[in-house]
Amino acid sequence: DAGVTQSPTHLIKTRGQHVTLRCSPISGHKSVSWYQQVLGQGPQFIFQYYEKEERGRGNFPDRFSARQFPNYSSELNVNALLLGDSALYLCASSLHRNNEQFFGPGTRLTVL
Amino acid sequence: GESVGLHLPTLSVQEGDNSIINCAYSNSASDYFIWYKQESGKGPQFIIDIRSNMDKRQGQRVTVLLNKTVKHLSLQIAATQPGDSAVYFCAENKDTGRRALTFGSGTRLQVQP
Repeated sequence: DAGVTQSPTHLIKTRGQHVTLRCSPISGHKSVSWYQQVLGQGPQFIFQYYEKEERGRGNFPDRFSARQFPNYSSELNVNALLLGDSALYLCASSLHRNNEQFFGPGTRLTVL
Repeated sequence: GESVGLHLPTLSVQEGDNSIINCAYSNSASDYFIWYKQESGKGPQFIIDIRSNMDKRQGQRVTVLLNKTVKHLSLQIAATQPGDSAVYFCAENKDTGRRALTFGSGTRLQVQP
């Protein structure tokens, strides 16, 4: 079975631009969570979606938004990019919102 | 603030030895803890988890110990192998019906042949 997939693998943007990152969960999983991992640190929770509704949000500004589609895939959007948004963005899926999370390989975002 | 942290940023061990990676947490309300392994260029990989109603849990070559009195978590890896070289994170969660994990900063495990 395929694991969690994320696209693109790498992305380079400039300050002020916006970006959309995509995630496909493991087949049958209904929950998707997004994490930001700055180099040298552990991942930080951004959002959790379950059954297409936001179920949790971390301490991130409103420039960050997400949504989950009927097929349970998800998008993370970041507007007005800042240099500090450069990070590895991880998507994790779980069967339901309270189960073990399986992480994808991440999208490496570089903001210049 | 409440956080999950690790005592040592880098741990170097000889192949075949046992490894112990430690983690301190400060949120007494957390009741679910997980250890993840992250290899370069990959996402975190689940190793083992433990709930706060347990003190010890064993998996294949790994054991997690939870000491709620001193808010301490440890991961023991038996007969460490070169493939165990990675960054290890502990993470915690308050079991409120969702998984919003709080991760520590990680410990890099280096296995010397």
